[in-house]
Amino acid sequence: DVKVTQSSRYLVKRTGEKVFLECVQDMDHENMFWYRQDPGLGLRLIYFSYDVKMKEKGDIPEGYSVSREKKERFSLILESASTNQTSMYLCASTTRKGQHTEAFFGQGTRLTVV
Amino acid sequence: AQSVSQHNHHVILSEAASLELGCNYSYGGTVNLFWYVQYPGQHLQLLLKYFSGDPLVKGIKGFEAEFIKSKFSFNLRKPSVQWSDTAEYFCAVSGGYQKVTFGTGTKLQVIP
Repeated sequence: DVKVTQSSRYLVKRTGEKVFLECVQDMDHENMFWYRQDPGLGLRLIYFSYDVKMKEKGDIPEGYSVSREKKERFSLILESASTNQTSMYLCASTTRKGQHTEAFFGQGTRLTVV
Repeated sequence: AQSVSQHNHHVILSEAASLELGCNYSYGGTVNLFWYVQYPGQHLQLLLKYFSGDPLVKGIKGFEAEFIKSKFSFNLRKPSVQWSDTAEYFCAVSGGYQKVTFGTGTKLQVIP
């Protein structure tokens, strides 16, 4: 059974803290993504990576950075958390093998910044 | 750049009514199209997908979608909804680098 695992379901952090969100996939997928999901805004792409050590900005990268040192792991970093980064964060992965590019999602991390 | 528009933000239907949710996309090349569903408190699940071939795609739980290339549309349909279909539905497109872009979602509420 394919799996994308996010390290935490719920996080509460203080303004100004450095926050790490971790995501691991066991499907040998090349592409990994970080989205945030907010009511009425759908899923917005923060960053994605199509290979180890490679990263591309998505639609809303400001205030975030990412790290992909190993193929299976993609980390999202909030350098200095702010209250407007309170959101649900979703990690996903896809493969470039064949045409089947459907995204597999983790269960999400609900981050609250106080 | 690729983008997706979902025009219905909130839809309320009675059980047994027919459903059609609109989705339009923009992308200059070959696309893959998806509908995902998110039931309350659960993570996103794939409902159906289109890559090539027959433009009418059948998915799980009686859902289907039709790809109309000339209209850049991929509308989701179900002939008769059930209370258990209450969920949020997201249309998505995958183009270059297989980046997956999502629409803003449609909340469907089915009244028994």
